[in-house]
Amino acid sequence: ETGVTQTPRHLVMGMTNKKSLKCEQHLGHNAMYWYKQSAKKPLELMFVYNFKEQTENNSVPSRFSPECPNSSHLFLHLHTLQPEDSALYLCASSQARVTAEGPQHFGDGTRLSIL
Amino acid sequence: GQQVMQIPQYQHVQEGEDFTTYCNSSTTLSNIQWYKQRPGGHPVFLIQLVKSGEVKKQKRLTFQFGEAKKNSSLHITATQTTDVGTYFCAGHGNSGYALNFGKGTSLLVTP
Repeated sequence: ETGVTQTPRHLVMGMTNKKSLKCEQHLGHNAMYWYKQSAKKPLELMFVYNFKEQTENNSVPSRFSPECPNSSHLFLHLHTLQPEDSALYLCASSQARVTAEGPQHFGDGTRLSIL
Repeated sequence: GQQVMQIPQYQHVQEGEDFTTYCNSSTTLSNIQWYKQRPGGHPVFLIQLVKSGEVKKQKRLTFQFGEAKKNSSLHITATQTTDVGTYFCAGHGNSGYALNFGKGTSLLVTP
């Protein structure tokens, strides 16, 4: 039990489908993150939310749409994805402070395959 | 932008041998963190270094933060098969909330 729960664990979808990834943290943290991890690239930060406000968006294509309704929940809405979007999508949370970044706690990830 | 480089990309050792991975940043870091990801798992936080020249130990693992706060290393003494996985360093700059992860060093330990 990591304190960060992601669903689903695996997802197979066609390029025209619309799906959503869900992340929930039970650690009382104030910051949440989406990362993409593929075989050839390191952990790529996609989005950062701090106190429900999006603070960073690392030039992610608009086919990925994040939503953070409260500090415990984070969604990643997917539509019209491409085969190169197949990867492990990791959610993380942390207790972010002004001058230092606390450790990030990761969920188990969603393994996404685009057909 | 800030970049974090990590070497080597892969390391294969015999059980009992030592192992070291190195991390270098293009800019000064406010802190650096280390994570371990087992095969099929997710990154797990190991440690955070904040002070210039800081050295911390966790059993057989020794972490160092350089004097200029631009480099760091993780050294494992007498590796065991349970040490198998990918070790990531991640640097936090002086602004923003994002960590910049290195590409990781994948460690394979054979008995």
